[in-house]
Amino acid sequence: QVQLVQSGAEVKKPGASVKVSCKISGYRFTSYGITWVRQAPGQGLEWVGTISIWNGKKYHSQNLQGRVTMTTDTSTNTAYMELRSLRSDDTAVYFCARGGWGGSGNYYNEDYWGQGTLVTVSS
Amino acid sequence: DIQMTQSPSSLSASVGDRVTITCQATQDITNHLNWFQQKPGKAPKLLIYDASDLQAGVPSRFSGSGSGTDFTFTITSLQPEDFATYYCQQYDNLPRTFGQGTKLEIK
Repeated sequence: QVQLVQSGAEVKKPGASVKVSCKISGYRFTSYGITWVRQAPGQGLEWVGTISIWNGKKYHSQNLQGRVTMTTDTSTNTAYMELRSLRSDDTAVYFCARGGWGGSGNYYNEDYWGQGTLVTVSS
Repeated sequence: DIQMTQSPSSLSASVGDRVTITCQATQDITNHLNWFQQKPGKAPKLLIYDASDLQAGVPSRFSGSGSGTDFTFTITSLQPEDFATYYCQQYDNLPRTFGQGTKLEIK
């Protein structure tokens, strides 16, 4: 069955970086994209970005002002989202989801999600 | 960026009720709209895609309609497990944007 398993909770100081992983199983990794979404405590959903694994194209929110990097490792079927220069308002649960542009340019909606990773930014 | 406005932001209803949530986009998104359900502490769950298509495994009491800028999400005959927060999301343009959510509570 399709599964996305994310890395554990992180506590970081302002200005530090965090790298969240998302290991997939149950489907061909390169056939779908991976989308990242975050949710601040008590708030709504915010799109972080999408990476197309088959061609490497990446699209991310301009709100993150170039602080985010999405990568994948096809040898381990794992996607990563790194966020740098952390601020207190980056405190959120970060979700990965299967979705975005897959093989042959087909677009897929986010139908399977990881369990979420809480990133806390605090001095 | 396309702004998505959901209404209402919260809603109280009883088991067996019919409820409707609306979502309005600031520009034409054709039918490129998803509806998600989220329960506390859980990841969102895709219910409806392409504005009106039911995701596999989702009960038929959930439905969606609309195109262009105005969309509607309906649950007929509410069940206890339906009390959650619902979000619309457009995928016509980047960045993807979500509505602010509608919290559905038990009356």
